[in-house]
Order: sequence, then structure tokens, then C-alpha cells
Amino acid sequence: DAKTTQPTSMDCAEGRAANLPCNHSTISGNEYVYWYRQIHSQGPQYIIHGLKNNETNEMASLIITEDRKSSTLILPHATLRDTAVYYCIVRVGGAAGNKLTFGGGTRVLVKP
Amino acid sequence: GAVVSQHPSRVICKSGTSVKIECRSLDFQATTMFWYRQFPKQSLMLMATSNEGSKATYEQGVEKDKFLINHASLTLSTLTVTSAHPEDSSFYICSAGPSSYEQYFGPGTRLTVT
Repeated sequence: DAKTTQPTSMDCAEGRAANLPCNHSTISGNEYVYWYRQIHSQGPQYIIHGLKNNETNEMASLIITEDRKSSTLILPHATLRDTAVYYCIVRVGGAAGNKLTFGGGTRVLVKP
Repeated sequence: GAVVSQHPSRVICKSGTSVKIECRSLDFQATTMFWYRQFPKQSLMLMATSNEGSKATYEQGVEKDKFLINHASLTLSTLTVTSAHPEDSSFYICSAGPSSYEQYFGPGTRLTVT
């Protein structure tokens, strides 16, 4: 699986949009971009995933560049409960045995 | 999203004993489940892939005789830490998905070996 690069940490203000970048310059054509987050002492929570089109759900939006070498996760209105470690992962889709490989993630602190 | 549960959520055991951790998919069937381990302030590290009806696939450096995995049904995988030692103390997390594109994680099991 391709490797991803994320900032180690970032702060954002409560109520404002949080934009989390991720670089995946070696992504292959059959690899999806997944985002998970992990709140302290809990299992990771699925946020969103996409292949090449931008995606939006009730939690977040995922913007993937046209060359697919980078993406941005957008939390539209950050709350204190969004404080967590956010992981950007690329993974081959289409087979149940395709594992998720976690990098260091971005530690996001939402401040009042 | 789909629900994955783990039991127990927390366990303390004495050095040398064995501990079994269960991972269940509550509202879907999973032919494949994954087991991860996470040490404090570190990321999740994949330990093994659990395959229903066949042997698990272990990642490099993970001792298969120490971490026994059984995936006897489409909704249950178990991880047994045999002859546990203090260095096995960690947060163990499983994941499974109802389709090849989805993976959901359990809440984790915190193991403390004294």
C-alpha cells in the first residue's frame, strides 16, 4: 500500500472548519483514500473514503486532487468532541483481505 | 455504520497466564477480521489477519504460537495471548467489515499483565 504523510499535529478553533491535509504521492490507480479518527482510548472510527471524486457525508468532506497525490479532510464545524488523532490511509479496494496500514496520523486539538 | 464489539474491554492478568479476547461483528458476517496492537502514544500496528475457516496470516515479527487466533464463525474471532508477560500489556483492537470497501473497529481491549 502507498504511504501517506500527514502533519504531526494541528490546532483549530471550535466552530470553525478544520482542514486536514494528507499527501499520498505514490498512490496507485486501484487504491482508495480512507480517513479514520481515534479518540483517546477508543477504537478508530471510520469517517469517509473516496477513490477520485470528492465525497461528503454527515461527518466530513473529502477533497481529492485531480492527480490523486493529495487529499484534504474537512470537518465543517469543529467541536470539542472532534479532538482526536486523524489517520489518512490508502488501501486497495475490492477485497476483504486488504488491510489498513496506519501511519502516525495528525493529532487535532479543537480549542474553545 | 456496522458494529464490531470486543470483550472484555479491560483485563488484568498475572504473568504466565493466558488471556482470550473476543471480537464479534454484530450486524454483519465477516470472513476476514484484523487484529491490531497499540502501545501508548503509538499508532496501531497490524498483528494478523483472521480468516474464517482457515489459518490466520501473521505480520512479520508477530509470534503465531504466542498470539493464537481462531475464527470459527462468520461473526466471531478470538485472540488468545498465551503465557502473557508485562511486555504484552497493550491495547488490542480488532476490525471487520461487511464489504471489501468498509472496515469498522471494535472499542478495544486494554490488557495489563502484572
